[in-house]
Amino acid sequence: GAGVSQSPSNKVTEKGKDVELRCDPISGHTALYWYRQSLGQGLEFLIYFQGNSAPDKSGLPSDRFSAERTGGSVSTLTIQRTQQEDSAVYLCASSLNLLMDYTFGSGTRLTVV
Amino acid sequence: GENVEQHPSTLSVQEGDSAVIKCTYSDSASNYFPWYKQELGKGPQLIIDIRSNVGEKKDQRIAVTLNKTAKHFSLHITETQPEDSAVYFCAARWSQNFVFGPGTRLSVLP
Repeated sequence: GAGVSQSPSNKVTEKGKDVELRCDPISGHTALYWYRQSLGQGLEFLIYFQGNSAPDKSGLPSDRFSAERTGGSVSTLTIQRTQQEDSAVYLCASSLNLLMDYTFGSGTRLTVV
Repeated sequence: GENVEQHPSTLSVQEGDSAVIKCTYSDSASNYFPWYKQELGKGPQLIIDIRSNVGEKKDQRIAVTLNKTAKHFSLHITETQPEDSAVYFCAARWSQNFVFGPGTRLSVLP
């Protein structure tokens, strides 16, 4: 597609439930990143994928967070047993490779009630 | 690891005035510094960038300067317009990743 697509755009979930957030990167972009943006805060790195290499998971805040990227394209970020502190905007970005600029999606706003 | 600081956190200017946002970084190995603009409800968008072999870069009303010795870089917006109102993030490339500053909320008052 023309840009990075994220779905859903908004998600409200009850505390303790699992959620899946989807990112569809720009076609041909080999690198894909997930960031978290809490209200009024900066961008917190979570994880990135580059081609077929093992992902860099160093930013994941806990073992409740996981992500996968199937076929080198679409990625899913899963948060298990959601907590209220997980409420944030989750941004996905892709780039041609690790050395190129990011193109961000519009994000998924997650609210845990 | 890399740490990027950004000031001010909020900035209000009158339409037509200039706005300056400053960032510092900690790792001298960082060599690429992009700036992103984030409008309400949207993802950040790249507006300008600078590489470490250049001291200044300009694109119409926006410019970025880099001082490698002091490890700081700045965004300058001249003749500000209401549509410049947004949150601006600086970033530094570090390892295989970008480290972002905490953001500056710019408000351009008519």
